[in-house]
Amino acid sequence: SQKIEQNSEALNIQEGKTATLTCNYTNYSPAYLQWYRQDPGRGPVFLLLIRENEKEKRKERLKVTFDTTLKQSLFHITASQPADSATYLCALGNAGNNRKLIWGLGTSLAVNP
Amino acid sequence: GAGVSQSPRYKVAKRGQDVALRCDPISGHVSLFWYQQALGQGPEFLTYFQNEAQLDKSGLPSDRFFAERPEGSVSTLKIQRTQQEDSAVYLCASSLVYRPLSEKLFFGSGTQLSVL
Repeated sequence: SQKIEQNSEALNIQEGKTATLTCNYTNYSPAYLQWYRQDPGRGPVFLLLIRENEKEKRKERLKVTFDTTLKQSLFHITASQPADSATYLCALGNAGNNRKLIWGLGTSLAVNP
Repeated sequence: GAGVSQSPRYKVAKRGQDVALRCDPISGHVSLFWYQQALGQGPEFLTYFQNEAQLDKSGLPSDRFFAERPEGSVSTLKIQRTQQEDSAVYLCASSLVYRPLSEKLFFGSGTQLSVL
């Protein structure tokens, strides 16, 4: 069955360092992959979308890579700040009429001052 | 509106009670999704609307779950005869375009349903 795995344990890093979160998938061939941020008691907030034919996408301090051979996406936050502390979710989708994104469990990130 | 609005924010129901959860999407957004999120889990797809048409309801867990969007804007998710396993956060999301490769979802804050 389709499966998405994100960092199973919470990630704790020091302010100013780069946070790297992973999203691995099996039994699926996504056309695109999205990363969202979720704060406690709130809905997910869209961060970045990367398509299967794109290797890398950047937005300000965020960078996403997508390796369809390794079936993996990496999400980087450079110069991390305490305000970046949240849960980060990856979601995979295909290009057809199926609109069901498949979501990972999320990785909890804590950036310590 | 400024964002996706969901109400109520919290709902406590007795087992067997019917509940109705409301979603006001961003004005003009064509697509509307309902997701269920259990504690510590990612969202699970329930159903999808394009305007007023419900194009996919394959994620609805049972026939006790029903969703509608009669005028292509506000949507209601109804759960009949609630069970304890229905306890979760119900998220609504909308998107402007009907092009999945370019689509980003805007989520509401969700309705936290607790069935006692």
